[in-house]
This record gives sequence, structure tokens and C-alpha cells, in this order.
Amino acid sequence: DTGVSQDPRHKITKRGQNVTFRCDPISEHNRLYWYRQTLGQGPEFLTYFQNEAQLEKSRLLSDRFSAERPKGSFSTLEIQRTEQGDSAMYLCASSLARSSNEQFFGPGTRLTVL
Amino acid sequence: DQQVKQNSPSLSVQEGRISILNCDYTNSMFDYFLWYKKYPAEGPTFLISISSIKDKNEDGRFTVFLNKSAKHLSLHIVPSQPGDSAVYFCAATTEGGAQKLVFGQGTRLTINP
Repeated sequence: DTGVSQDPRHKITKRGQNVTFRCDPISEHNRLYWYRQTLGQGPEFLTYFQNEAQLEKSRLLSDRFSAERPKGSFSTLEIQRTEQGDSAMYLCASSLARSSNEQFFGPGTRLTVL
Repeated sequence: DQQVKQNSPSLSVQEGRISILNCDYTNSMFDYFLWYKKYPAEGPTFLISISSIKDKNEDGRFTVFLNKSAKHLSLHIVPSQPGDSAVYFCAATTEGGAQKLVFGQGTRLTINP
């Protein structure tokens, strides 16, 4: 399967703990996006990378969130000192930087903070 | 500030009939629009898109219509099939820059046999 993969698929943690999620994009895609989806809502943009450079961050991304994309391949999203409000589905998407805006999404990581 | 709105949380359609899903947007900077389909426990899957230079794009059973003056787009599925039952998201973006997607809240489509 050469689609976008995310790991883990589910994560349950206690409030105050740190968590890290991984995303492996489609190999030739140079753009990588993170979105967050809560119940009954559409995905919301968090941040985006072109190659290894993080070029934009949403104001939704508090300073407890950090994302990296070393070497422009896989990406990690870390949440420090998790809060119950962080419970959501975290989606990763990748695309090619060209005129078509189609983004390919992974299956997501569902985070539950107790 | 909800820039993309899908005002119908759910829609139920008979198999074989036409399904019409609607979406409104407020930001006139948006110039590219997409529809995604989402099954439970999966990520959104791209269905069809349209650039603001067009008013219609068709792909098999799926057609997207764009009315720029009304800031409205719709997705038509005909004929509807049971496998079309899913949540459908409308998304908007700009062709330049980050091309981040701004999503509506989704419409749950149920196709009844």
C-alpha cells in the first residue's frame, strides 16, 4: 500500500502526559499537512510542510504542539502536557506542489485524553 | 468564523435517485473547491474538484456545480448507490500559497435500498 500511513491509529493517555504521532506521506509528495477533526466537525488545518520546512502554523496550534519533518520525509506531531480538549482525530495529508490541490489523507490517529 | 458551511447535517435518498449535497462559502479568495467522502475509521477520500474558472465538472456519477456569484457549490450523485452512504465534506482553498483546505462540517448521506 503506497498511501499515507499514520501511527498509532489509536492513543489513550492521561492528562498531562506527552504523546507523539507519526505520519508517512506518499513517497514523491513534497507537501505534508496536519489537520485535527473533532466530533461533528470537518477537519481543521494545523500546520504544513514543504519538504523539511514548516511554512505555516494555525493559531489553533498552541505552544504545547510541535511538528517536525526531518529530511522532508515522514513527519511527527508531538503534544506536550495533554489536556482533555486535545481529544480528537489527528489527520495527516500529503500532496505535490502543483496546480492541483488534491490532498491524500491517512487514516488518522484518534487521541483520547482521560 | 465558519468560512465553509454545509447546512444539512444529514440526507436520506432512495437507491437509484439523485443525491444533491450543498455547500456555501463566504471567503471570496477561495478559488478551488473539493469534495471528500469519509467512511468511519478512515481518512477522507478525494472525490471531485472544481476550479473557480469553471462552473461544472463531471466524473462518472459525480458532478460538481459552482455558482460563484452565490458563493455556492453542490455535488450531484446519480444514480445513488448503497456504497455512497458516507459523510461528505466540502472543502475550499486557494490555488497559491499553502493550499490548506478549509472544510465544512459535513453531511451524512444515507442511501436506502
